Amino acid sequence: GENVEQHPSTLSVQEGDSAVIKCTYSDSASNYFPWYKQELGKRPQLIIDIRSNVGEKKDQRIAVTLNKTAKHFSLHITETQPEDSAVYFCAAILTSGTYKYIFGTGTRLKVLA
Amino acid sequence: GAVVSQHPSRVICKSGTSVKIECRSLDFQATTMFWYRQFPKQSLMLMATSNEGSKATYEQGVEKDKFLINHASLTLSTLTVTSAHPEDSSFYICSASEGSYSNQPQHFGDGTRLSIL
Repeated sequence: GENVEQHPSTLSVQEGDSAVIKCTYSDSASNYFPWYKQELGKRPQLIIDIRSNVGEKKDQRIAVTLNKTAKHFSLHITETQPEDSAVYFCAAILTSGTYKYIFGTGTRLKVLA
Repeated sequence: GAVVSQHPSRVICKSGTSVKIECRSLDFQATTMFWYRQFPKQSLMLMATSNEGSKATYEQGVEKDKFLINHASLTLSTLTVTSAHPEDSSFYICSASEGSYSNQPQHFGDGTRLSIL
């Protein structure tokens, strides 16, 4: 079945620096890759997503890149701010059956002021 | 945007009690909803896929008689934790997608923190 690996598990950056989180997936048929941000005790919130027909997508300080050949995708946050501190999860859509998400293990991002 | 409402947000109850959690899609119809369980500092673990008008599909290792799912309408799915015990204490979150295609985002409810004494 699908497997999604996410690295690093924790990441500390200075305010204003960039942060990069990487995920790899195993199912070459996966075609949708969302990223979620979860603050402590709250719901995961979709921050950006990418579909398999594009290689990069950007929304202000957040960007996602996808390499289908290598089966990996990355989240890039530029000009980090303290409010970016949270846990970030990547996911890949398992395209067989009920299209359920397979989540990565999460990255705890700390932005130091 | 799509909104998913989950209720209650917090439950504290005695061992042996059954607890029902509701998940509603407020401004869209959801033929499929998903139920997750999340332990502290861990990822979301899919428990089951809730299908409107049919039986839920449970993930391996999840007891269907323990976690009863009912998806009676296009906007409501319920998860009932039957005869809950302390080991069932966790954060339960539901999600729903607007479309029936594979590349639509899931929107999550606020979650229910269940504590069994």
